[in-house]
Amino acid sequence: GQQLNQSPQSMFIQEGEDVSMNCTSSSIFNTWLWYKQEPGEGPVLLIALYKAGELTSNGRLTAQFGITRKDSFLNISASIPSDVGIYFCAGQLDSNTGKLIFGQGTTLQVKP
Amino acid sequence: KAGVTQTPRYLIKTRGQQVTLSCSPISGHRSVSWYQQTPGQGLQFLFEYFSETQRNKGNFPGRFSGRQFSNSRSEMNVSTLELGDSALYLCASTSQGGVAEAFFGQGTRLTVV
Repeated sequence: GQQLNQSPQSMFIQEGEDVSMNCTSSSIFNTWLWYKQEPGEGPVLLIALYKAGELTSNGRLTAQFGITRKDSFLNISASIPSDVGIYFCAGQLDSNTGKLIFGQGTTLQVKP
Repeated sequence: KAGVTQTPRYLIKTRGQQVTLSCSPISGHRSVSWYQQTPGQGLQFLFEYFSETQRNKGNFPGRFSGRQFSNSRSEMNVSTLELGDSALYLCASTSQGGVAEAFFGQGTRLTVV
């Protein structure tokens, strides 16, 4: 089936550093989404991308939808301890369904 | 505006039993999707309901089923539980079928012993 390859699998960084993670796929996606999940909680939507090449920011977060519609990256600038969590990319293949395909997640740890 | 509400938060069941999980979407949202999250497989799509109809189904056995009511609330049922069904079950709602921006509940943690 369709898969999203997300990397890196985990990151351990110092507070204040910038972070970058990405997702790639062999399939063309209609929409890319980025979520964050904290322990004991459901994923929380961070950014949604709809157009190829689109660059969108949400505070310290910036995400881009690849030109080929097969990849996306998420950057976090000036990381803080509350950025800790698991970040997931998700893609929608077909605009006629709400079905999302998820990456395996990037676990982020921030050292104060 | 209240978020997506899932009940119960935690469940412990015995192999062979059946279980029903409930999801109340965000008010006004008409589409509900269910996902299974496990450490090994990550987030896997189970099914999507829109206007009381199943629109899409993931690659899970027939023991997994669901339904949606006229008020958009949804339930999923797992029959003949197996140890491997232990997982976090997440419900997500979108404003209408086909919209990608899905908002998740906190999930139901199911443990099968």
